[in-house]
Amino acid sequence: QVQLVESGGGVVQPGKSLRLSCAASGFTFSLYTVHWVRQAPGKGLEWLAVMSYDAEHEYYADSVKGRFTVSRDNSKNTLYLQMNSLRPEDTAVYYCARVEYFTSWFDHWGQGTLVIVSS
Amino acid sequence: EIVMTQSPATLSVSPGERATLSCRASQSVGSNLAWYQQKPGQAPRLLIYGASTRATGVPARFSGSGSGTEFTLTISSLQSEDFAVYYCQQYNIWPPWTFGQGTKVEIK
Repeated sequence: QVQLVESGGGVVQPGKSLRLSCAASGFTFSLYTVHWVRQAPGKGLEWLAVMSYDAEHEYYADSVKGRFTVSRDNSKNTLYLQMNSLRPEDTAVYYCARVEYFTSWFDHWGQGTLVIVSS
Repeated sequence: EIVMTQSPATLSVSPGERATLSCRASQSVGSNLAWYQQKPGQAPRLLIYGASTRATGVPARFSGSGSGTEFTLTISSLQSEDFAVYYCQQYNIWPPWTFGQGTKVEIK
């Protein structure tokens, strides 16, 4: 079955960096686009970033543009989110979510990894 | 950016009753609208895509309707497991892909 497992979260000081991973299984990762979505404590869902299945296209939310970078290693079935210059407002659960097509809905989600930005 | 607005913020419903949740887009998204259910401590789960198509395994008591800027998620007879937060999301014009702020369905 389709499975997405995020890892790499933790407590980090403001201004520091963190890299999240999203390990995929149960499907041909190289054929699917996967997004990053986050949810601050007690808040709603915020789309963050996407990299197309072939790594040809990437897009970012304005809130993270220039600070976060998405990448993928199709040989390892893994999507990454490099987060630099972290701010307290980046504190959230970070989810990766697969789409059937680049322009479609999120059909499978990981369980999320918590990032806390605090001094 | 397309802004998605959900109403009400909280809906109090008794088990067995019908729940109607609304989602409005700031401009037309066609039928490119999805609904998700999220329970505490869990990831969102896809319920509806294409405004009205149930995802695999979603009970028939969940139905979606609408197009353009006005959408509705209806739960025909609420079960205990349906009390959760529901989000709409548009995937018509991007980036960004945008979500509504959520509607919490609570037990009356």
